[in-house]
Amino acid sequence: ETGVTQTPRHLVMGMTNKKSLKCEQHLGHNAMYWYKQSAKKPLELMFVYNFKEQTENNSVPSRFSPECPNSSHLFLHLHTLQPEDSALYLCASSQEARSSYEQYFGPGTRLTVT
Amino acid sequence: AQSVTQPDIHITVSEGASLELRCNYSYGATPYLFWYVQSPGQGLQLLLKYFSGDTLVQGIKGFEAEFKRSQSSFNLRKPSVHWSDAAEYFCAVGAKTSYDKVIFGPGTSLSVIP
Repeated sequence: ETGVTQTPRHLVMGMTNKKSLKCEQHLGHNAMYWYKQSAKKPLELMFVYNFKEQTENNSVPSRFSPECPNSSHLFLHLHTLQPEDSALYLCASSQEARSSYEQYFGPGTRLTVT
Repeated sequence: AQSVTQPDIHITVSEGASLELRCNYSYGATPYLFWYVQSPGQGLQLLLKYFSGDTLVQGIKGFEAEFKRSQSSFNLRKPSVHWSDAAEYFCAVGAKTSYDKVIFGPGTSLSVIP
């Protein structure tokens, strides 16, 4: 595997379910990001991890819980979601969490909450 | 904090025609500037970036962008569009302070007519 991978690619879950999104980067980077991409809205930064430490939580509801066990893996744990949480969730990585470093994106997980 | 706008939500061009996508930013100094492309079902991919120096930047896939400080713009251009260029294009701005985040514009959707 190369680059940034995300699993699953598609997920349908009910509002009472618990699920997790997984992201893995094979680039040797030290920063990882979660973004939410909804139709008709700009890309929303959710969380940033730099050297496994969370450095950004962009006022994300507690029903989204990130986990970064090491610099290569990032998870987004989901529980009791709402229909408005349906979106494409993108993971990205960069050398460090500085704005000078380009970000490499995974293909995303298309989440549908029913 | 920095901000970025992309005035055109959607653009349609004929294959072989030239293309210019507009990007305007707001920041007190020269920022880091990026253009990313997102093909359907994919994550974002970096086309090019500007940090300093020559204001005309060359990128991948035949794209270029010009930084104009006086207009606070970083417009993306391509002399001859191919059908495979149909995608969503995002301009992004990063501030030159440590660990500041990158802000993405709302995107411009490009359609290409055969």
